[in-house]
Amino acid sequence: DSGVTQTPKHLITATGQRVTLRCSPRSGDLSVYWYQQSLDQGLQFLIQYYNGEERAKGNILERFSAQQFPDLHSELNLSSLELGDSALYFCASSTLPGGGYTFGSGTRLTVV
Amino acid sequence: GENVEQHPSTLSVQEGDSAVIKCTYSDSASNYFPWYKQELGKGPQLIIDIRSNVGEKKDQRIAVTLNKTAKHFSLHITETQPEDSAVYFCAASPPEEFSGGYNKLIFGAGTRLAVHP
Repeated sequence: DSGVTQTPKHLITATGQRVTLRCSPRSGDLSVYWYQQSLDQGLQFLIQYYNGEERAKGNILERFSAQQFPDLHSELNLSSLELGDSALYFCASSTLPGGGYTFGSGTRLTVV
Repeated sequence: GENVEQHPSTLSVQEGDSAVIKCTYSDSASNYFPWYKQELGKGPQLIIDIRSNVGEKKDQRIAVTLNKTAKHFSLHITETQPEDSAVYFCAASPPEEFSGGYNKLIFGAGTRLAVHP
C-alpha cells in the first residue's frame, strides 16, 4: 500500500456519460497530480493541485476538470466520455518540493 | 516544454545479465530525474532518483547516471532477476515559476524489460 488511495479501482460506463474519480493523498502531502495512461503508453500529465489551488496544467481536455478539497483529497471529473477516454488514471502525491512522488494504484476507466 | 525520449522500448535479457535504459531530455533547466518501475496492474513505484547536482547514484543493483551537458541519463540494473521484469519509466522535472518546487514530472514512453531465467 503506497498510502495514496484511489477509488474506484474499475469503472465501466457508456459514451456521453460523466464520471468522478477520487484520490486521497498520503497523510501530510499537500500536492496532488493526475496522470492518464492509455494502453501501452506512457504517463501523460493532466493537472496538479497544491493545497487546494491549481498549480499546473498539462494536456487536459476541456471535458475534464479537477479540484482539491480542504481535506486535501482530489477528484477528477470526466464528462461527455468518448471511447478514447478509456485508460488508466493515476493520482500521485508529494510531500517535499523538488522530490519524487508516490502513485496510487489507479482507476481503470472503460468507456463502451 | 520538456520532452523526454526513452530507449529502448523493449529489452530482453538473461537472468544475471545487466540492463541499461537510456533517456534524453530537452529542457536544460530540469533538475530532478526519477525512475519508476510499473508492474502489471499496479501504479508506478519510485526506484531511484538523481538531482542535477549529482552525476551518479547507486542503490544495491540499481544505478543512475546523469550527463547534464548531453542532457541524458541512464538506468543500470546489474545481476538482473526475473522479478526485475516490468515496465520502467524515466522522468524529468522542469522547474516552474509558481509551483513552489512541487513540479510536475514529464515521463518517457517506457521500457518493457523481460528477464528470462
